[in-house]
Amino acid sequence: KNEVEQSPQNLTAQEGEFITINCSYSVGISALHWLQQHPGGGIVSLFMLSSGKKKHGRLIATINIQEKHSSLHITASHPRDSAVYICAVRRGSNYQLIWGAGTKLIIKP
Amino acid sequence: DSGVTQTPKHLITATGQRVTLRCSPRSGDLSVYWYQQSLDQGLQFLIQYYNGEERAKGNILERFSAQQFPDLHSELNLSSLELGDSALYFCASSVQAGGTEAFFGQGTRLTVV
Repeated sequence: KNEVEQSPQNLTAQEGEFITINCSYSVGISALHWLQQHPGGGIVSLFMLSSGKKKHGRLIATINIQEKHSSLHITASHPRDSAVYICAVRRGSNYQLIWGAGTKLIIKP
Repeated sequence: DSGVTQTPKHLITATGQRVTLRCSPRSGDLSVYWYQQSLDQGLQFLIQYYNGEERAKGNILERFSAQQFPDLHSELNLSSLELGDSALYFCASSVQAGGTEAFFGQGTRLTVV
């Protein structure tokens, strides 16, 4: 079993829909990252969380440390949101990241 | 052990100097990504190489450059260093160019004094 599990693996939705991507982990962490990877390969860091909730534009990320679970939400989704969304957890202070397999999101116009 | 090797692990240098960070990807991985992480910030993607060629570029300063060699190891060159360049620099590798699981090295902690 992977230490970081994301669901769903693939998600196709219509423009405007509310999107939720989930991340569960089985190890103790010091931080959790949500990243976005576009088809060109570039990776953008969306959030780094250690507790609570963060919001940036149409993106919202939450984390529940006790339940070892995080969610990434996209409101009013748009085709330009189509990308792979990756959850990665950091353990301790050594900055070794454990990545989830990613969720491939396609938003259709 | 992720299989990604970065050297050196720690580096302390003075402002204005130039340093080279090295990354050896996992065996079989063709893609190398470089990231910068400051203490209070998330990952900042710098640049990606795939099979020797630049594939994507992120928030990389003009003072920084990178390359991937025929044996697929990569080097990140940082010049005219400033105090604000102090950070963790790490690379990741993956088999393909994107959308696949990537494995991170343990990083190089750069301190500019």
